[in-house]
Amino acid sequence: SYVLTQPPSVSVAPGKTARITCGGNNFGSKSVHWYLQKPGQAPVLVIFNDSDRPSGIPERFSGSNSGNTATLTIFRVEAGDEADYYCQVWDNFSDHPYVFGTGTKVTVL
Amino acid sequence: EVQLVESGGGLVQPGGSLRLSCAASGFIVSSNYMSWVRQAPGKGLEWLSVINDGGTTYYADSVKGRFTISRDNSRNTVYLQMNSLRTQDTAVYYCARVGELFVFDPWGQGTLVTVSS
Repeated sequence: SYVLTQPPSVSVAPGKTARITCGGNNFGSKSVHWYLQKPGQAPVLVIFNDSDRPSGIPERFSGSNSGNTATLTIFRVEAGDEADYYCQVWDNFSDHPYVFGTGTKVTVL
Repeated sequence: EVQLVESGGGLVQPGGSLRLSCAASGFIVSSNYMSWVRQAPGKGLEWLSVINDGGTTYYADSVKGRFTISRDNSRNTVYLQMNSLRTQDTAVYYCARVGELFVFDPWGQGTLVTVSS
């Protein structure tokens, strides 16, 4: 089945920029979505279709997708951004088509 | 407001059964793809099952033959019937609407299933 690889953790100081990567094969043909999950809470969509933001998500959250890597960038990081972040794609060639990344814990120093 | 509310979780012995419910408001379940996703303690998100607007269902290999997704249009509710439960099925179970481009949004608050003797 399709595999999405994320770094287990990213640490960033307040006010700085955090970048979270998500790697997979033939990414260019897929739409990548990103979710954040705070402890004890359900995931929340923060980026869809590689770089689109749902209403209510701050402009500080940005997404890109190039080659075999998608990136979620959080500008001017705040303490409230500390959470787990997951990427997700739909792989139409798989019998397990809905694929989540391994998850990245973002720690705000 | 678009909202999903899960219920039905609890403690069950290995080999037992449980039915989870996901009540939707603000949209029509039967016009959408609806999915179940779980998260074992300290682990990541695992997709389990989806039912599309035509009623066709799909399952992850880990639950195929044991879990069944269904919906009740009159109650605007999606269900997950879980049989032959194993200790490794212990997790928080979320339902979510699957939208365009196969995005999961929104999610319910989750319901905890603990499989233990």
